[in-house]
Amino acid sequence: AQKVTQAQTEISVVEKEDVTLDCVYETRDTTYYLFWYKQPPSGELVFLIRRNSFDEQNEISGRYSWNFQKSTSSFNFTITASQVVDSAVYFCALSERYGGSQGNLIFGKGTKLSVKP
Amino acid sequence: GAGVSQSPRYKVTKRGQDVALRCDPISGHVSLYWYRQALGQGPEFLTYFNYEAQQDKSGLPNDRFSAERPEGSISTLTIQRTEQRDSAMYRCASSPTSSPPYEQYFGPGTRLTVT
Repeated sequence: AQKVTQAQTEISVVEKEDVTLDCVYETRDTTYYLFWYKQPPSGELVFLIRRNSFDEQNEISGRYSWNFQKSTSSFNFTITASQVVDSAVYFCALSERYGGSQGNLIFGKGTKLSVKP
Repeated sequence: GAGVSQSPRYKVTKRGQDVALRCDPISGHVSLYWYRQALGQGPEFLTYFNYEAQQDKSGLPNDRFSAERPEGSISTLTIQRTEQRDSAMYRCASSPTSSPPYEQYFGPGTRLTVT
């Protein structure tokens, strides 16, 4: 069965601290895609990144970086030098290429990040 | 360009009434998805379409829920005989295609409250 676990329910940091949001997934499919979305207090869901299961290279985009490790079924998200505007709920999601979900996103429960000035 | 739009943004209805929620996807997007998000939870899949064909409706909770996308563009999610447990945020998303899975772009959602 496919599943996404975000064990950290809430994290609170002070501005300029680095923070890592954990994501662990389960799937039987050999081809799958992982995503991160941001949900700020305004409520919309904003796409951040998509990675496929064949590409384990870490990715960096400005202050954001992602660490994909198939060996531990993890796709962790790090924000460097956090800012107040990073305060949001962050969701990790999984989509299988051939398995049961076939394009649908299976979301974790989210991690609420609060960045205090 | 224009993103995904949903209407209404808020809907308050009495138990037993039918409601219709509308989604207008990004122009040219083949795939359209419906999700439901309870407070403090991630979105949960309901159903999705490629063009006008409903590909998967396994997430619809029961037969009071139905969806259509008759011309392969705008979609409507209908809930008949609403119950209080149907109260949630209903989100629509679209993507260029479903195979392989691409990022989905979400609309602002419709907040449904059943009293």
